[in-house]
Amino acid sequence: GEDVEQSLFLSVREGDSSVINCTYTDSSSTYLYWYKQEPGAGLQLLTYIFSNMDMKQDQRLTVLLNKKDKHLSLRIADTQTGDSAIYFCAEKGDTGGFKTIFGAGTRLFVKA
Amino acid sequence: NAGVTQTPKFQVLKTGQSMTLQCAQDMNHNSMYWYRQDPGMGLRLIYYSASEGTTDKGEVPNGYNVSRLNKREFSLRLESAAPSQTSVYFCASSRGEKLFFGSGTQLSVL
Repeated sequence: GEDVEQSLFLSVREGDSSVINCTYTDSSSTYLYWYKQEPGAGLQLLTYIFSNMDMKQDQRLTVLLNKKDKHLSLRIADTQTGDSAIYFCAEKGDTGGFKTIFGAGTRLFVKA
Repeated sequence: NAGVTQTPKFQVLKTGQSMTLQCAQDMNHNSMYWYRQDPGMGLRLIYYSASEGTTDKGEVPNGYNVSRLNKREFSLRLESAAPSQTSVYFCASSRGEKLFFGSGTQLSVL
């Protein structure tokens, strides 16, 4: 079945860039997402990219998609302590109907 | 600006007890979902409702039932709770391809 994998932890210093990586297996993925979860809260959609795009930029966030390698990354420029959270990669394909597949989440620690 | 509201936020059950988790959304979304989140694992879909009057099984439906009471409300019932159902449960609704989540219910089954 479809799978989404991402590393579990990332630690960066405040002001540095963070890069969170994700790989997925579903070759029919149409939408690829990054959700953010802050402590005690539900997931919030951070950004998403269509599979026919290579890159999407939104203020401090840059999403890169390598469809050939089925690799998605999220770059956060000038990382702040408020960016400390769990970041979930997710994908949804044409064949999945209403099913969005989530990775296990990457916990980002930002050191002051 | 409530969005998706879940109740309760915390619950402790004994093995074999039953309970219903409530979820309501005020965004007029057609589709609603129940997920569970376990440490080191992604969110797994339990059940979903594509529209009012329909429900379908997700990835991990065993031990759960759902009711789509109306367009706003989608409840999840545990008939006989088991320790394996200890988890954080999230309700979500969707507009287009975007999911909107509630703040979760932390459930412990002893």
